Amino acid sequence: NAGVTQTPKFRILKIGQSMTLQCTQDMNHNYMYWYRQDPGMGLKLIYYSVGAGITDKGEVPNGYNVSRSTTEDFPLRLELAAPSQTSVYFCASIRQTSSYNSPLHFGNGTRLTVT
Amino acid sequence: GQNIDQPTEMTATEGAIVQINCTYQTSGFNGLFWYQQHAGEAPTFLSYNVLDGLEEKGRFSSFLSRSKGYSYLLLKELQMKDSASYLCAVRKGSGNTGKLIFGQGTTLQVKP
Repeated sequence: NAGVTQTPKFRILKIGQSMTLQCTQDMNHNYMYWYRQDPGMGLKLIYYSVGAGITDKGEVPNGYNVSRSTTEDFPLRLELAAPSQTSVYFCASIRQTSSYNSPLHFGNGTRLTVT
Repeated sequence: GQNIDQPTEMTATEGAIVQINCTYQTSGFNGLFWYQQHAGEAPTFLSYNVLDGLEEKGRFSSFLSRSKGYSYLLLKELQMKDSASYLCAVRKGSGNTGKLIFGQGTTLQVKP
C-alpha cells in the first residue's frame, strides 16, 4: 500500500493562476479530507468527503473547490490563486469502522507559494 | 463554534518530563487526539482519549477530563528527537469519521 499520495510536493503560482492539488489513496477509505496549515499554526479543514459523489465544506472553504468522482481520488482546485492561499496542504483519509481510536492517515503535503 | 487552546511554545531538558496542556470548548465532542509533527513532515498519530482518564503508551501518556474540557499530553524521559510540534485535535460528530478540529499546536524544544 502506498497510503495517501499527494502531488505535487512543491508548487509556485502567480496571483490569479489556477491549479489542482492531487490526492489519491489505495486503502479503500471512504472518508477523505483536505487541510491547510499556515506557518506555526494548526490544521484548518477546507473540505471533506464521506464517499464518492459527496462533498461538504469545512472551516475555510472559500477560494477552493473539490470533487470526488471515485473512492480513491479527492482533488482540490484553486481557481484564482491569492497570496493568502500560500500554505502547506495536507490530504487525509479514514475508513468508517467501529474502531473509534483509528486515526487519520495523512499524505506528505503539498507546499504552495502564491506570489 | 469551537475553540481549542494550547501553549505556543515549550522548552524542556533531555531526560526530563514535560506536560503539554490543551483546553477545548466544542459541541458534539467525540474524542480527542494528539498528533506529533516534525518540521516539514505530516502529522503522525500519538494517542486518543474519548473517556475520562489516563491512556499510557510507552513514554507518552494522555489524559482527558470531559467535564473540564481539558486534556494533557505527558512525555517522559525526553529525547532530542521529541523536539517537534504537538497538535491537540477534537473530533466532532458520530462514529470514527467525524471532523477533526485542530488546535494551533505546541512547539516543543528539547535541549541537552
